[in-house]
Amino acid sequence: DSGVTQTPKHLITATGQRVTLRCSPRSGDLSVYWYQQSLDQGLQFLIQYYNGEERAKGNILERFSAQQFPDLHSELNLSSLELGDSALYFCASSAGTGEYQPQHFGDGTRLSIL
Amino acid sequence: AQKVTQAQTEISVVEKEDVTLDCVYETRDTTYYLFWYKQPPSGELVFLIRRNSFDEQNEISGRYSWNFQKSTSSFNFTITASQVVDSAVYFCALSEEENAGKSTFGDGTTLTVKP
Repeated sequence: DSGVTQTPKHLITATGQRVTLRCSPRSGDLSVYWYQQSLDQGLQFLIQYYNGEERAKGNILERFSAQQFPDLHSELNLSSLELGDSALYFCASSAGTGEYQPQHFGDGTRLSIL
Repeated sequence: AQKVTQAQTEISVVEKEDVTLDCVYETRDTTYYLFWYKQPPSGELVFLIRRNSFDEQNEISGRYSWNFQKSTSSFNFTITASQVVDSAVYFCALSEEENAGKSTFGDGTTLTVKP
């Protein structure tokens, strides 16, 4: 058990819809990271938040957005969903800003677009 | 730009064999961090090790060992006396000091250990 909680575990929706994925980091961790894992793109870093502020940005589409709340939980919002957005979305957390700490991953949310 | 290459897509071994998973990286930074993660069939990602670029000392943890060589930009992972429970996808990852939260992952190596 990594201590990182992601909900929901599975999500099935249709094209054009909007969904929100939720992540609670390990107790004491200030950084939250979001990743997308798909068959054709592999594991891709999307975005990092540290203590409520955006810290690093990767290959995140404009249709996607994220935020980290004062209680440090984070949400990833995916809108105007397309078939290609079907993937496993991981959240990870670390104690600091990322230089020295490993990231601990949640179990992921599997998003299926029909 | 940073890049991680795991040239071995799939490896199959018989239990008790030793197996080495290769990882080659590219980076312009002099300070960077290398990681290995395991993703078993259940799907979760499990952190295995972190290495800083200024620490080339090899590491051994039980049946796992890691060989970090800056001269060849490689960070290889060896499992000694493999077991069926080692069957998983293994990812090597790199993050640079300047943007430490932005990790780049290799495509992963699928290891199958047969009884």
